[in-house]
Amino acid sequence: DTAVSQTPKYLVTQMGNDKSIKCEQNLGHDTMYWYKQDSKKFLKIMFSYNNKELIINETVPNRFSPKSPDKAHLNLHINSLELGDSAVYFCASSLNQGVGEAFFGQGTRLTVV
Amino acid sequence: GENVEQHPSTLSVQEGDSAVIKCTYSDSASNYFPWYKQELGKRPQLIIDIRSNVGEKKDQRIAVTLNKTAKHFSLHITETQPEDSAVYFCAASKGNTPLVFGKGTRLSVIA
Repeated sequence: DTAVSQTPKYLVTQMGNDKSIKCEQNLGHDTMYWYKQDSKKFLKIMFSYNNKELIINETVPNRFSPKSPDKAHLNLHINSLELGDSAVYFCASSLNQGVGEAFFGQGTRLTVV
Repeated sequence: GENVEQHPSTLSVQEGDSAVIKCTYSDSASNYFPWYKQELGKRPQLIIDIRSNVGEKKDQRIAVTLNKTAKHFSLHITETQPEDSAVYFCAASKGNTPLVFGKGTRLSVIA
């Protein structure tokens, strides 16, 4: 009964490949997010989805595309992976945009070789 | 957009001492200020939060203070224990935007 779950936990892939990370929340929240945590531990917002609509798209390369089939899911697709994409990616959700606690998934450690 | 600065980046304290982490924010419209703790290899988890209509909030050994005029807020941990060792993040939001995080403080509690 994990609140926010994302898969896979680890992902090792070669440069140029396309990969996806899945995220699901069972909290009934309206807003979901993707954050990137780099090697220096900085948590940076990538995307925010509210009721299946993209609210904010930060300065993220268009190789990254969020896809939300329904309110409970927000998947992250990455095309043409680069070495600099290596990081831990966290999915999160909150009741509403920026209101109240954000619950994080366990993270996906992406390594591009 | 919002910018959150956090200091110090690393902090070492002796077990039993207090630890203080400070953050400043840039957007005066921000009204929600949570603190997250991230243990090694784990997800960030909320430990305490405060809203702009409150100046101070306490939960056992943890307290947060907010100065809206100066646009800064602080986390205070008293009687630190080894299990308090982690990376702590402050964040700010104005209710219609995602949380913007500070760069984190790595706290080490030395037994």
